[in-house]
Amino acid sequence: KAGVTQTPRYLIKTRGQQVTLSCSPISGHRSVSWYQQTPGQGLQFLFEYFSETQRNKGNFPGRFSGRQFSNSRSEMNVSTLELGDSALYLCASSHDMAGGFTDTQYFGPGTRLTVL
Amino acid sequence: SQQGEEDPQALSIQEGENATMNCSYKTSINNLQWYRQNSGRGLVHLILIRSNEREKHSGRLRVTLDTSKKSSSLLITASRAADTASYFCATYDYKLSFGAGTTVTVRA
Repeated sequence: KAGVTQTPRYLIKTRGQQVTLSCSPISGHRSVSWYQQTPGQGLQFLFEYFSETQRNKGNFPGRFSGRQFSNSRSEMNVSTLELGDSALYLCASSHDMAGGFTDTQYFGPGTRLTVL
Repeated sequence: SQQGEEDPQALSIQEGENATMNCSYKTSINNLQWYRQNSGRGLVHLILIRSNEREKHSGRLRVTLDTSKKSSSLLITASRAADTASYFCATYDYKLSFGAGTTVTVRA
């Protein structure tokens, strides 16, 4: 099976702009989660989507949003970019298990966003 | 916020030696997972241990879990240069909460 893919791999934006990142999960995986990785804060959970619905959300401002399509592909959007949004954005997909829990999460290569 | 703390923050060993890193966490968990990351790239899943398991092996990896102490350890035996990477533990409770990671350097 093909792994998780993320596009684009690198992105440079300026403050105030908005950006959309894309993630294609492993075939058959219906849960997609997004994480932000920065040197200062480490890896932090943004949100999780399952069956086109946001199921869980981390502590990020409303400028960060996402969606999931019927084929499980997911996008995340960051509006009004700030310098602090520069980070590696990682997408992970997983099988869904009973009770809303997911199993092993498989990560994509990430999108490196630089905000100037 | 990060769930756990990893110890040590950095580790430098000779090829062929064993590497051990520890992870402590704060809340009850469903499972704990270990990941490897090479040079700021994506995370590679290494091993998952469930809360009702105490030890698990995968190739040269051995993971232990002590839920009473809220801690886990990852042992890499007979290390290779290719094991040079950052290693993260992550507890799972509807989301993955990562520690700060241990940077392992394996010297040839």
